[in-house]
Amino acid sequence: KAGVTQTPRYLIKTRGQQVTLSCSPISGHRSVSWYQQTPGQGLQFLFEYFSETQRNKGNFPGRFSGRQFSNSRSEMNVSTLELGDSALYLCASSLQGTGSHEQFFGPGTRLTVL
Amino acid sequence: DQQVKQNSPSLSVQEGRISILNCDYTNSMFDYFLWYKKYPAEGPTFLISISSIKDKNEDGRFTVFLNKSAKHLSLHIVPSQPGDSAVYFCAASAGGTSYGKLTFGQGTILTVHP
Repeated sequence: KAGVTQTPRYLIKTRGQQVTLSCSPISGHRSVSWYQQTPGQGLQFLFEYFSETQRNKGNFPGRFSGRQFSNSRSEMNVSTLELGDSALYLCASSLQGTGSHEQFFGPGTRLTVL
Repeated sequence: DQQVKQNSPSLSVQEGRISILNCDYTNSMFDYFLWYKKYPAEGPTFLISISSIKDKNEDGRFTVFLNKSAKHLSLHIVPSQPGDSAVYFCAASAGGTSYGKLTFGQGTILTVHP
């Protein structure tokens, strides 16, 4: 079974621009979560989508948004980019069935904001 | 407010010996705990998990222990191998619809010397 895939792997943007990142979950997984990893803040939860609905949300500004499609693929968007948005953005999928709560991560998208 | 803490930034062990990584949490709502291994510029790899209804879970060389009264969990790796050298994160989630939101510790860098 293929793992979680994320595109693109690397992105360079300038301040004020917007960016869209894509995530394809493991086949059959209905939950997709997004995380931001930075050296200073570690791994922080952004939001989770389940069956096309945002089910959980972290403490990030409204510039960070996401959505999920009917095939469970998900995108996240960051508008009006700031230097501090430079990070590794990770997507994880999970089955979310009874007793099965493990999340499996993709390789991440490295975003650099200049 | 760091709800999941890994107080040891690094740990160095000899090949063949036991590695013990520790994690403390403060949120009583957490009822599912996971350990991940991470290499630089890659997504975390799931290792092992434990539900709060158990106090031990074993998978090959990896064992996780949970002490709910102390709000403490530990990961034991026996025997340690040089390939185990990586950053290890513990993570926790609350129940119900919050399983999609993981709260991570800051990580412990494990180095296993040949």
